[in-house]
Amino acid sequence: SAVISQKPSRDICQRGTSLTIQCQVDSQVTMMFWYRQQPGQSLTLIATANQGSEATYESGFVIDKFPISRPNLTFSTLTVSNMSPEDSSIYLCSVLRQANYGYTFGSGTRLTVV
Amino acid sequence: GENVEQHPSTLSVQEGDSAVIKCTYSDSASNYFPWYKQELGKRPQLIIDIRSNVGEKKDQRIAVTLNKTAKHFSLHITETQPEDSAVYFCAASRGSQGNLIFGKGTKLSVKP
Repeated sequence: SAVISQKPSRDICQRGTSLTIQCQVDSQVTMMFWYRQQPGQSLTLIATANQGSEATYESGFVIDKFPISRPNLTFSTLTVSNMSPEDSSIYLCSVLRQANYGYTFGSGTRLTVV
Repeated sequence: GENVEQHPSTLSVQEGDSAVIKCTYSDSASNYFPWYKQELGKRPQLIIDIRSNVGEKKDQRIAVTLNKTAKHFSLHITETQPEDSAVYFCAASRGSQGNLIFGKGTKLSVKP
């Protein structure tokens, strides 16, 4: 399976600021995704990161709040903008490799907004 | 879009007993159904998966069954051990053309 490096692993941020999370994969992947996991909850898909074009957002998530970039087939960033305490959560990068259907997850970024 | 329902939300069993977790999905185009185990503070880890052309798959103490007609699939863990205690998530997708949608999770506790 793909090896994913996700940074930072955790951060404490002031409300109103922004944080950019990076996801680097060791090989080219077909698809990259960003998920949010609130404490004690399931994983909710934020968006699909599309290489070279705008991300595809799920209902309830918008580009102004969660801008995403994917400049190539191995790297993506998620920015959490104008943060509020409600954004405190774990954010996870996930990738899908071609030729099999296995989705692999990064180790996550634990974000606390104060 | 796809909707995945998972039951039960919590499950407590004695060591050595079997555990069964059930999921239903709504999108008839979904063709890939993985199960993830998530221990506290860690990332979800794939434990078994099944594709729509297969009705059952086993891997040692773990098995998954799929009923495409009824749109449900189940995880079976036999001879449970305390280290099986974790949160288990089912998910569904359209495979290489789709994203992965998760159920709400089942917290499994195995008592020694």
